[in-house]
Amino acid sequence: DAMVIQNPRYQVTQFGKPVTLSCSQTLNHNVMYWYQQKSSQAPKLLFHYYDKDFNNEADTPDNFQSRRPNTSFCFLDIRSPGLGDAAMYLCATSTGVNQETQYFGPGTRLLVL
Amino acid sequence: GEDVEQSLFLSVREGDSSVINCTYTDSSSTYLYWYKQEPGAGLQLLTYIFSNMDMKQDQRLTVLLNKKDKHLSLRIADTQTGDSAIYFCAESIPDKLIFGTGTRLQVFP
Repeated sequence: DAMVIQNPRYQVTQFGKPVTLSCSQTLNHNVMYWYQQKSSQAPKLLFHYYDKDFNNEADTPDNFQSRRPNTSFCFLDIRSPGLGDAAMYLCATSTGVNQETQYFGPGTRLLVL
Repeated sequence: GEDVEQSLFLSVREGDSSVINCTYTDSSSTYLYWYKQEPGAGLQLLTYIFSNMDMKQDQRLTVLLNKKDKHLSLRIADTQTGDSAIYFCAESIPDKLIFGTGTRLQVFP
């Protein structure tokens, strides 16, 4: 009964080599979020989509981009990963943006060599 | 600005109660959440409380909210080894959640 699915669970990439992480949901929620969580830190919001409307956090680096081709899928693209981008990337969904509950996927751990 | 603070570590004996504390700053938050994160895993929603409530109980979990002091706590009764994890409180503001730094709960036999 997986509701928010992230693939792969572990991703290894090389310094500077573009990488894409994927998230899908079976909840039919309007909003999808991407968070970055570095070791021993709180998750930090990178951006979110409300339907097709993209909302970027002010301090999200330009290196990070996102695509949402349909309601179910959302992708995180890292154009030129640096060593500092190694982290857990968490996808979440909610019905709306007015403080509705967010449901998280299991995360993808990214390792940059 | 928004800031959510938690103590970093808590160690309890199996069978005892655990109390994890959190302070937040945004008084306009409508909901406050507790999430659990096991090693290498995503965030699991444990419970949440609406800001006009003082207390919410859900099986072994009790959430207390002191809105005046902006203080939130999570009590886990009869703590088990399977409760060992990092617990994050989060306050909701429009468009996002603001997470605390997380409290690592260690349960020993």
